[in-house]
Amino acid sequence: EAGVTQSPTHLIKTRGQQATLRCSPISGHTSVYWYQQALGLGLQFLLWYDEGEERNRGNFPPRFSGRQFPNYSSELNVNALELEDSALYLCASRTPQTFLDIQYFGAGTRLSVL
Amino acid sequence: DAKTTQPNSMESNEEEPVHLPCNHSTISGTDYIHWYRQLPSQGPEYVIHGLTSNVNNRMASLAIAEDRKSSTLILHRATLRDAAVYYCILRDGRNTPLVFGKGTRLSVIA
Repeated sequence: EAGVTQSPTHLIKTRGQQATLRCSPISGHTSVYWYQQALGLGLQFLLWYDEGEERNRGNFPPRFSGRQFPNYSSELNVNALELEDSALYLCASRTPQTFLDIQYFGAGTRLSVL
Repeated sequence: DAKTTQPNSMESNEEEPVHLPCNHSTISGTDYIHWYRQLPSQGPEYVIHGLTSNVNNRMASLAIAEDRKSSTLILHRATLRDAAVYYCILRDGRNTPLVFGKGTRLSVIA
């Protein structure tokens, strides 16, 4: 069974541009979480999608947005890129079965803003 | 989410057991103790979790104190591949985001 897949692996953008990151969850998983791991700041929760709806967002500006498609894949968009947006962006998925409280992570997309 | 406290770093020799401690003095009765680890250049991966009793799986063992205010992740024979940052996280079973602390960076020496 395929794990969580993220694309692209690396992304290089310049300040002011927009970035789009993609995530495909494990088959059967309906929840997708996005996390940011910036150097020295640790893993921080960004956005949570479940059954196509945004359920919660972390302490990030509205420039960070996304969506979840009917097949449960997800997209993270970052507008008006700033240098400090350079980070590893991780996607995780989770099964809807409540007793299986485990999140499975992809390998991430490394975004570099120049 | 209740807070956890872990040492910043630990070091182990290869093929020796490693005990990674976690303090969670404000844990509630329904909180599960989860451990994830993040290998270099990879996303975090689930290791183990438990509620009250000690747990074993193919990756590790989890020893939980009787008062549940602390727990220890045990790697029985550390290998170089176990070098990672280990995160202890409390979960109440709801479908919510994970809250990561700084974790413990484990170095394994050959």
